[in-house]
Amino acid sequence: DTEVTQTPKHLVMGMTNKKSLKCEQHMGHRAMYWYKQKAKKPPELMFVYSYEKLSINESVPSRFSPECPNSSLLNLHLHALQPEDSALYLCASSQARGLNTEAFFGQGTRLTVV
Amino acid sequence: GQNIDQPTEMTATEGAIVQINCTYQTSGFNGLFWYQQHAGEAPTFLSYNVLDGLEEKGRFSSFLSRSKGYSYLLLKELQMKDSASYLCHNAGNMLTFGGGTRLMVKP
Repeated sequence: DTEVTQTPKHLVMGMTNKKSLKCEQHMGHRAMYWYKQKAKKPPELMFVYSYEKLSINESVPSRFSPECPNSSLLNLHLHALQPEDSALYLCASSQARGLNTEAFFGQGTRLTVV
Repeated sequence: GQNIDQPTEMTATEGAIVQINCTYQTSGFNGLFWYQQHAGEAPTFLSYNVLDGLEEKGRFSSFLSRSKGYSYLLLKELQMKDSASYLCHNAGNMLTFGGGTRLMVKP
């Protein structure tokens, strides 16, 4: 199994809603990542988890809250988002942070904030 | 991220060869990855170079010069489906990407 699975594929939420994005991998990878990608731009790193601990937070606003319940799962909790937060949210995993192995990406969640 | 420079956009003709260059900061170098991303889809791994020289994989080749902090991705016999963004990434401790190069292949 070389897949990273993200749910939901599409999400529309209001600015007062609370929602969660989910990501799952069963490759035994110990590093997991959240990215935000706007149209025609490269993915921007948001968070890195290494061995289920948050190791990097790229100055992301607190309305985005990551969680890593176990080594296979990564969540991104969303609350009080703004319309400019509408984007494609990508999850990725790699064997471990800093090792020379490629990242595997999920297909992303297309988020629209209204 | 990580001072990676790539051209923003390139256009090439179907059947031609195109070279996409990438320069990166040499400190903390840990290998150079190339990813392909079609619009609206996830990035997919193309190649990895850690030693100097050329790695060939079918129509795609990737070159690395560590002393110059330089890499390129060479795409031969271009096909319309090669229209995508190509992301260069210096594999250090963080998985950050450069700006990417949007390649448009025209008939």
